[in-house]
This record gives sequence, C-alpha cells and structure tokens, in this order.
Amino acid sequence: GAVVSQHPSWVICKSGTSVKIECRSLDFQATTMFWYRQFPKQSLMLMATSNEGSKATYEQGVEKDKFLINHASLTLSTLTVTSAHPEDSSFYICSANRDRYQPQHFGDGTRLSIL
Amino acid sequence: AQKVTQAQTEISVVEKEDVTLDCVYETRDTTYYLFWYKQPPSGELVFLIRRNSFDEQNEISGRYSWNFQKSTSSFNFTITASQVVDSAVYFCALSEEGANNLFFGTGTRLTVIP
Repeated sequence: GAVVSQHPSWVICKSGTSVKIECRSLDFQATTMFWYRQFPKQSLMLMATSNEGSKATYEQGVEKDKFLINHASLTLSTLTVTSAHPEDSSFYICSANRDRYQPQHFGDGTRLSIL
Repeated sequence: AQKVTQAQTEISVVEKEDVTLDCVYETRDTTYYLFWYKQPPSGELVFLIRRNSFDEQNEISGRYSWNFQKSTSSFNFTITASQVVDSAVYFCALSEEGANNLFFGTGTRLTVIP
C-alpha cells in the first residue's frame, strides 16, 4: 500500500487563490520530504527540500515566497502556492524516505489547474 | 554536475515483445545511486529499483531486468514479454552521495499495443 499520501489529488481554482497541498508519510517519520513539479509530458523537477523544524531549501529559480513550504511534524509537509496564476498550473508531487539510505516513495501527486 | 539522459522519448511495441529502455548518466561522485520509476497514466510514481554504484550485478525481477555498466555509465531497463499494463512513462534517476534528492531523466513513454 501507499506509504506517502498526498492531498488533494486535483484542484481547480481561480487566479489569485492560494492553494495548500499536504504530503504525509503514513508509516514512518520523515525528517526530509521533497517537492517536485512536473509540466505535461516533461520530467520531474525538484522545487525544494522540506526539512522538519527548519526552513525549506529551495532550488535555484523557485520563488520561496510563491511556494511556501512548512514541515511542522515528522509526518507532514505542506506546500502552499500563494496567489496562484495560470502559469502555476502543473502536477505537483511530493516524496519522502525513511532515511537517506532508503529509496524515495512518492505521493500520488496533485493536479493543479488555475483558471 | 549530474545529468541523466534518456534518449528515447517514446517507444511503441506490440504485446509480448521485449523492450529495452536506455539510461545514461553523468556524475563526478564515485558513490551514487541509480533508480527507475514507473509513472502510469494516473500519475503516481512507482519505485522499481535502486542500485548503488558499487554493485554492478545485473538484477532480474520477474519480467523486469536491469543492466548496470559503469564503463559506459549506463543503467538500462528491459521488459520481457511486454504487456499492455506496462504502458507508462519510465524515469531513470540519479542520487549522489551526500545528497538525498533525485535528478530525473526526461522519461521514456512506453506504449504496448495489444
């Protein structure tokens, strides 16, 4: 069964809305979680690394004020897309692993459509 | 800098044919991990295999097999007797020592025709 749960799986909202996506590790504690973005028919690009109890580490070119990440507990990380615009429409997917020596397991992803 | 190349953008095969998906990587690290993930149309990523850089043994799991060759920096994936359910996008990925994140290739879209 799934070890990483992501919610919601699908969001449609108006431009200017903020959208929160949750990523939960179901049967293990994850001090680190990862957020990826995937445009249609393209690869996954790492957006940021979410660190429990500290600030997220963002990849170059990712606006941290636009994509707010909170890793408040060892089983939950959230990504908030603030003031979303149509160009933010994408597939967002999170992952987590038990420790750095274990493979990452991915959530089912969230399809975000901004009208 | 690390890089993962999947030169085959799309492949179509007829059911029961064998198919090999290519993956070539670049890294300066001597310790690294290579992965294959499957992404079916529903979107979720399914972990298939992880291989560390010190283990060049080929691996077989059912109809799946992987050929890791450090000499050519390749980690190819073969599906034997393909089935329609194998239709998906397959991603090869690299993780370097000291880093926990994954660098993905651009993926290969496999279509198995009944």
